[in-house]
Order: sequence, then structure tokens, then C-alpha cells
Amino acid sequence: AQSVAQPEDQVNVAEGNPLTVKCTYSVSGNPYLFWYVQYPNRGLQFLLKYITGDNLVKGSYGFEAEFNKSQTSFHLKKPSALVSDSALYFCAVRDLPSGAGSYQLTFGKGTKLSVIP
Amino acid sequence: NAGVTQTPKFRILKIGQSMTLQCAQDMNHNYMYWYRQDPGMGLKLIYYSVGAGITDKGEVPNGYNVSRSTTEDFPLRLELAAPSQTSVYFCASSKTRYHTNTQYFGPGTRLTVL
Repeated sequence: AQSVAQPEDQVNVAEGNPLTVKCTYSVSGNPYLFWYVQYPNRGLQFLLKYITGDNLVKGSYGFEAEFNKSQTSFHLKKPSALVSDSALYFCAVRDLPSGAGSYQLTFGKGTKLSVIP
Repeated sequence: NAGVTQTPKFRILKIGQSMTLQCAQDMNHNYMYWYRQDPGMGLKLIYYSVGAGITDKGEVPNGYNVSRSTTEDFPLRLELAAPSQTSVYFCASSKTRYHTNTQYFGPGTRLTVL
């Protein structure tokens, strides 16, 4: 079974400072990893994904994520945080479909990012 | 295009009432999904569909039903609403079944059962 852990419920960072939102995963096969962001009262928006290749993945709004297979991690990063980055961030993993076809994305519980002016 | 749309945005139900949450997408995606999001939790898959006429259960299907008569629409039905179904419901779609494919989400329906 696949699982995702986001160890921090909340991350606070000052505007202009670098930010990191942590994610670790567990899968039986090759991991396919995603980051989504949710602004208040909005649906989830896709930020970036890791499928294969370069361990550093670049995504929307200046975000990037580093895939580390040995540490089974996929941390989200941004060099300089903006107040507008304040939102709820979800890490998700997808394993290979099994049985009749399981297309489920398994989500972490989410990390609330607050960027302080 | 509008992407994934959901109606209504908010709804309050009494215990035992029924309702249908509507979801539509205009991206010609074959795959559609219903998730629920509870406070402090990630999203849980309720049902999914791989094409018109084909649906299957996800992780938490009890108390819900779905149908998929067209590629565009994927309504979620609650037959006998219970307080445990108080949640935010998200519909999503993706182009293919491949695990690399990105899912696109609607804005959500906030449901309260009293």
C-alpha cells in the first residue's frame, strides 16, 4: 500500500526567506509524486510532479521539489517566499495500478504555509 | 475552457435527505474522480470512472452512488445523508489512466449534514 507523510501541520516563514515543506512517501514500486496547492475556499491546483529523470523538478510559481530516493522524500522548496504563497500544500503519491485498476492518488494531510510580511 | 466545474458550492442537508452533487469537465478527459476532504486530513477517493458507463469504488464509497452517462458529467449521489458525510467534496479529472497523468480539480462543494 502507498502512503504519504507530511510531518509538519504548519510552517511559518518570513517573506523573502527560503521555504521548505516536507514530504516523505512509501510505495512498493516506483513512486510518482505530486505537489498540489489549495488556496482558501478553492480547489486543488497542480504545482509539479516527479515521474523520472532529474531529481530536481521545477514547477509553477517558482516552486521546485527535490526527489531523494534513499530518504524516500520529496520536499517542496522555494528560494524566496511571498505572502501570496500562504496556502495549504498537499503532497501526493501514485503507485502502479493494481488488480482491477486503482487510480488513486494518495494524499498527505496537508501543510499550512504562512508567509509573514 | 472552464476546466472542472462543480455545483452547488455550498449545501446544508438534514439527516436522511438526499442530494446530487454535480461535476462537469470540458477537457474531454476520460477519467473522473470524486474525493472528500475532512478537516486536517488529506483527500480520500470515493468513486472514480474510467469512461462513460464505467465506474468503480474508491477508498470510502459507502453512502454514495455515482453514474457516468456522458464523458463530460460525473454526478455524485447521497441517498440518506448522515452527519458523517459533512465534508468538502472535490471532483477531478485526468486525460488518461497512466499514473503519470495529472489530475485537475474543481472548486469543491461544502456540504453540512445536520
